[in-house]
Amino acid sequence: AQTVTQSQPEMSVQEAETVTLSCTYDTSESDYYLFWYKQPPSRQMILVIRQEAYKQQNATENRFSVNFQKAAKSFSLKISDSQLGDAAMYFCAYQAGGTSYGKLTFGQGTILTVHP
Amino acid sequence: GAVVSQHPSWVICKSGTSVKIECRSLDFQATTMFWYRQFPKQSLMLMATSNEGSKATYEQGVEKDKFLINHASLTLSTLTVTSAHPEDSSFYICSARDSGRFGETQYFGPGTRLLVL
Repeated sequence: AQTVTQSQPEMSVQEAETVTLSCTYDTSESDYYLFWYKQPPSRQMILVIRQEAYKQQNATENRFSVNFQKAAKSFSLKISDSQLGDAAMYFCAYQAGGTSYGKLTFGQGTILTVHP
Repeated sequence: GAVVSQHPSWVICKSGTSVKIECRSLDFQATTMFWYRQFPKQSLMLMATSNEGSKATYEQGVEKDKFLINHASLTLSTLTVTSAHPEDSSFYICSARDSGRFGETQYFGPGTRLLVL
């Protein structure tokens, strides 16, 4: 079974600084997707960024980028120019490709605090 | 991105009653929807996978007779908590799978807070 591990229960960053959240996963599949979701205090899950495993290029979305290391099974999220609104719980998630019906496996989550 | 709505956002009920939660994909069709349960500061726990027109697939340990799931159309899935008890109090989240426009992605509803007295 696939597992996703977020080893940092909590992280903090100063406003305007950069922070990196770690995520590792375990799978024997070659076709899969990886995601970072953000859950602010409202508890609405918001998609931050997605990565297809077959793509070598790291995904980026404005201030958010990933470092996808397929061989190492690592998928870290970098937040640049951190803003107060980035404060949230962040979840890394894995989805197998093929006929998996899109089931997501989540990590334990990392609580990010942004200091003004 | 796509939008998923969930209703109600808050529900308080008496022990022994049933509660229905609706999940709708507003701007896309979702053949597959998912139901999760989340406790404070914890990760999401998948309860079941809901496929349009067929029976839901429940995760191990989830009582299918207690948590009834119906996926009657490509935009609507419902979760009914039958004979609710205080231990069923939790935050329930649905998501809908979009395999189309932006690639394989799951979008989440805003969640439903259930309190059983």
